[in-house]
Amino acid sequence: AQSVTQPDIHITVSEGASLELRCNYSYGATPYLFWYVQSPGQGLQLLLKYFSGDTLVQGIKGFEAEFKRSQSSFNLRKPSVHWSDAAEYFCAVGAGDYKLSFGAGTTVTVRA
Amino acid sequence: DGGITQSPKYLFRKEGQNVTLSCEQNLNHDAMYWYRQDPGQGLRLIYYSQIVNDFQKGDIAEGYSVSREKKESFPLTVTSAQKNPTAFYLCASKSRLGGTQPDTQYFGPGTRLTVL
Repeated sequence: AQSVTQPDIHITVSEGASLELRCNYSYGATPYLFWYVQSPGQGLQLLLKYFSGDTLVQGIKGFEAEFKRSQSSFNLRKPSVHWSDAAEYFCAVGAGDYKLSFGAGTTVTVRA
Repeated sequence: DGGITQSPKYLFRKEGQNVTLSCEQNLNHDAMYWYRQDPGQGLRLIYYSQIVNDFQKGDIAEGYSVSREKKESFPLTVTSAQKNPTAFYLCASKSRLGGTQPDTQYFGPGTRLTVL
């Protein structure tokens, strides 16, 4: 069965600074990988996804993620953080059975 | 506008009562999902359905029940057998491709259930 680990529970970053959120997955075959963002009390919004092809994936809101098979990682990055990026971020891995497994999430706080 | 709606946004229940959470989608998606979210635990799958009149248990189905009588609707009932029902509940849907790609799940705004 697939699983996801997000090692950082909480990250604080200054506005304008860069951000990197870590995601490690466990799956025997080629995974399908997703990053979602959740504002307090809201549903999840898809930021980006990786199915195959180019290992650097561009998403919405200026985010990108890089799939590294050798490290079983799919880290999310943003070059310059805005105050509106404060939220909880979830990494997820999918297999061929239509189910997703989610990490526990990383909460991002942006300080002025 | 196409999307997923969940109602109500907030729900309060007394211990021992069953309660039903609504999830409706007009995206023409075949598959629908229910997740439970607790602080620090991410999302855990309760039930999912790939076609009408069929559904499967997820990882934490005990104390919950579902039905799928219409393609656009997938209500979740939290029964009195659920020991700790206070949580944030999220519904999701996705189109069902002919192959095995998981494609993308789209989420509703959620329902926060509190047991008094």
